[in-house]
Amino acid sequence: AQSVTQLGSHVSVSEGALVLLRCNYSSSVPPYLFWYVQYPNQGLQLLLKYTTGATLVKGINGFEAEFKKSETSFHLTKPSAHMSDAAEYFCAVSYGSPNDMRFGAGTRLTVKP
Amino acid sequence: DTAVSQTPKYLVTQMGNDKSIKCEQNLGHDTMYWYKQDSKKFLKIMFSYNNKELIINETVPNRFSPKSPDKAHLNLHINSLELGDSAVYFCASSQAVDEQFFGPGTRLTVL
Repeated sequence: AQSVTQLGSHVSVSEGALVLLRCNYSSSVPPYLFWYVQYPNQGLQLLLKYTTGATLVKGINGFEAEFKKSETSFHLTKPSAHMSDAAEYFCAVSYGSPNDMRFGAGTRLTVKP
Repeated sequence: DTAVSQTPKYLVTQMGNDKSIKCEQNLGHDTMYWYKQDSKKFLKIMFSYNNKELIINETVPNRFSPKSPDKAHLNLHINSLELGDSAVYFCASSQAVDEQFFGPGTRLTVL
């Protein structure tokens, strides 16, 4: 069964530092890939997605992610962290049918002043 | 304009009670979902529904039942509430299998 793994349940960076949140999926078939962000006491909000085409995807708030088929990865990056980036981040995969969206366990990003 | 809305935002109730959570989307999407998020932030899909098909996650107890009066609404009914049902429940919607839009969540506490 397909699954998605987020390495690191908690990542802490200093303000202005690089943000790298890791996501790997297990499947021989390329999935649709998503990153969502959840701020405290709120629902999930889409950051970016990959379906087809260019493997480097740019999203909101300066985030981007690169689909690497050979590594079955879809890591999320941001060159310079801001205090407002502190949140829970979820990677998700889908294979094109309802009810098959699978979420990773989430990574909590803390940004230190 | 709120895209996906849920009511209530907070729900505190006693074990054994029956409760409902309402969800509405104004995006014109054809598929709606219910998710459960536990205290460790793990998200589990419970149901997906469009006007033709209800897909139930096999691990969901039959005390949980979705009801859709129309395409824009998918309510969640829970019978005989148990302590383990305490969680945050999210409604979401999508057009086909594209990105999902989430509601703000309903925090359910069972005492």
